[in-house]
Amino acid sequence: DAKTTQPPSMDCAEGRAANLPCNHSTISGNEYVYWYRQIHSQGPQYIIHGLKNNETNEMASLIITEDRKSSTLILPHATLRDTAVYYCIVRVEKFHSGGSNYKLTFGKGTLLTVNP
Amino acid sequence: DGGITQSPKYLFRKEGQNVTLSCEQNLNHDAMYWYRQDPGQGLRLIYYSQIVNDFQKGDIAEGYSVSREKKESFPLTVTSAQKNPTAFYLCASSISVSTEAFFGQGTRLTVV
Repeated sequence: DAKTTQPPSMDCAEGRAANLPCNHSTISGNEYVYWYRQIHSQGPQYIIHGLKNNETNEMASLIITEDRKSSTLILPHATLRDTAVYYCIVRVEKFHSGGSNYKLTFGKGTLLTVNP
Repeated sequence: DGGITQSPKYLFRKEGQNVTLSCEQNLNHDAMYWYRQDPGQGLRLIYYSQIVNDFQKGDIAEGYSVSREKKESFPLTVTSAQKNPTAFYLCASSISVSTEAFFGQGTRLTVV
């Protein structure tokens, strides 16, 4: 399984862009990069995912380097409610009994604190 | 509303007792998962199920058991064999192997 490396914590001013880095230097060609976030004592929330092209949705943008060894999650205008732990995950597929199994392996993530 | 529901939110049990955590989804998802989270740690996979009547051990399955008799339900039993059962338990589901997972709000189990 490709592992990811994230800084343990980051701060961001409210209204500014939050750029969260993730290193996944051992990622293989068919593995996607997923981002989730977890607000304290709640279940994780899916944010965005991508393979090699940059992606954008209503929550965030995902920038993946050309060599796919790292990526950056961008929250364009951070608010206080964006304070959470952000997880960068590389999705693993393993074949079992003729089908595919889907497994998300979570690390410790990055605690993003948005300050007023 | 469609979603994934875990109950109860808080659960207390005496040491040595088995306890079953409920997870129900009405999203028509094929795959379901159970994770455990300890304070300050990431999530660790306990069990997962791709389809009804099939499930696989995750990274920390010892002391746990599951069943998948219905597509909508994936209950987790924490047995007395689990040495450190006090934790935050999260259930998730996904449409298929190629889509994102949706999580419930979790059950915080405390064993005294």
